[in-house]
Amino acid sequence: AQTVTQSQPEMSVQEAETVTLSCTYDTSESNYYLFWYKQPPSRQMILVIRQEAYKQQNATENRFSVNFQKAAKSFSLKISDSQLGDTAMYFCAFMPQTSGTYKYIFGTGTRLKVLA
Amino acid sequence: NAGVTQTPKFRILKIGQSMTLQCTQDMNHNYMYWYRQDPGMGLKLIYYSVGAGITDKGEVPNGYNVSRSTTEDFPLRLELAAPSQTSVYFCASSYNQGVKQFFGPGTRLTVL
Repeated sequence: AQTVTQSQPEMSVQEAETVTLSCTYDTSESNYYLFWYKQPPSRQMILVIRQEAYKQQNATENRFSVNFQKAAKSFSLKISDSQLGDTAMYFCAFMPQTSGTYKYIFGTGTRLKVLA
Repeated sequence: NAGVTQTPKFRILKIGQSMTLQCTQDMNHNYMYWYRQDPGMGLKLIYYSVGAGITDKGEVPNGYNVSRSTTEDFPLRLELAAPSQTSVYFCASSYNQGVKQFFGPGTRLTVL
């Protein structure tokens, strides 16, 4: 079975510093997508960053970047220059690229608090 | 664009009652999804649709039904509400598989 594990239930970081959130996954698929979603207290789910497994280059979006290690099945999120607005739950998600079926598997989340 | 809208925002049901959660998107997306989020957990896929008239089960479909008669609308029906269905329900849409999903604001449902 495909699983996504986020081993850090809660983290905190000082404003302007850098923090890394961990995510590991288990799959026998070779082609898939990985995502990080942010869920602030408003409850709205917002895509932070997306990675295609066949791309070796790590995805970046402004202050957000990932460290994608395919062999290790690891997909960590780095947030640089943390801001108070980054306070949220962060979910890692996995989707196999298999035609004819659809699976979208979320981890249990990491609650990040940015401290002033 | 309004994006993905969901109604109602909150609802309390008694055991055995039925209700429909509404979801509408104005982005002409083919793919639409229903998730539930239990406290302290990630999202679990209930049902999805790849286009009007085409729906399929996700990870946790029991107790729910869906229909997709138009591209814009993807309602979720609870027939006999049970306490185990107490959760926050999210509808989402995307233009293709494996790309960004746009989420609605969620419906908080309590079954007593």
